[in-house]
Amino acid sequence: SQKIEQNSEALNIQEGKTATLTCNYTNYSPAYLQWYRQDPGRGPVFLLLIRENEKEKRKERLKVTFDTTLKQSLFHITASQPADSATYLCALDIRSSGDKLTFGTGTRLAVRP
Amino acid sequence: KAGVTQTPRYLIKTRGQQVTLSCSPISGHRSVSWYQQTPGQGLQFLFEYFSETQRNKGNFPGRFSGRQFSNSRSEMNVSTLELGDSALYLCASSLVDRASEAFFGQGTRLTVV
Repeated sequence: SQKIEQNSEALNIQEGKTATLTCNYTNYSPAYLQWYRQDPGRGPVFLLLIRENEKEKRKERLKVTFDTTLKQSLFHITASQPADSATYLCALDIRSSGDKLTFGTGTRLAVRP
Repeated sequence: KAGVTQTPRYLIKTRGQQVTLSCSPISGHRSVSWYQQTPGQGLQFLFEYFSETQRNKGNFPGRFSGRQFSNSRSEMNVSTLELGDSALYLCASSLVDRASEAFFGQGTRLTVV
């Protein structure tokens, strides 16, 4: 069956360190992958999109990698800050299911001062 | 530019009742998707509408339905509410291209008692 896996355990890191979150998928061939941030009680907010023919994408302190061979995306936040504390979701288009955007369950990041 | 607006923000209903939720997308966005979010299941895709037509549908029972109007505003309806329907319902709008980012509303928190 098709699956998107994100580490369900919270990631706790010290301010200033780099946070690395993982998104693994099976049985998909996504054309692109997106990362979103969600704060409690609010809707997800788009952060980055990376296409299948791109290996890496950056935006300010954020970096995303996409390895279609490993079926994995890594999301990095460098010089993390307490304000980065949130749940981070990866999302993939599922072409076999009509291109709907399918989300992982998310990983909660806690950055302590 | 105004964001995605969902109304109401909070709703309490009794089992067996029905409910209608509303979503106004960003001006110019013709695609509207609906998601159900619960702590155990994460974001689950309900359906997507584009130009008043349902373009995609998730694996939810027929009690869940939706529609889109000519101005792209969308409504979703849940009939014969069950306790398990308690969730955060999120609406997202995007441009025509499915590879573009999804803009989410704040969501409607539905509690079924």
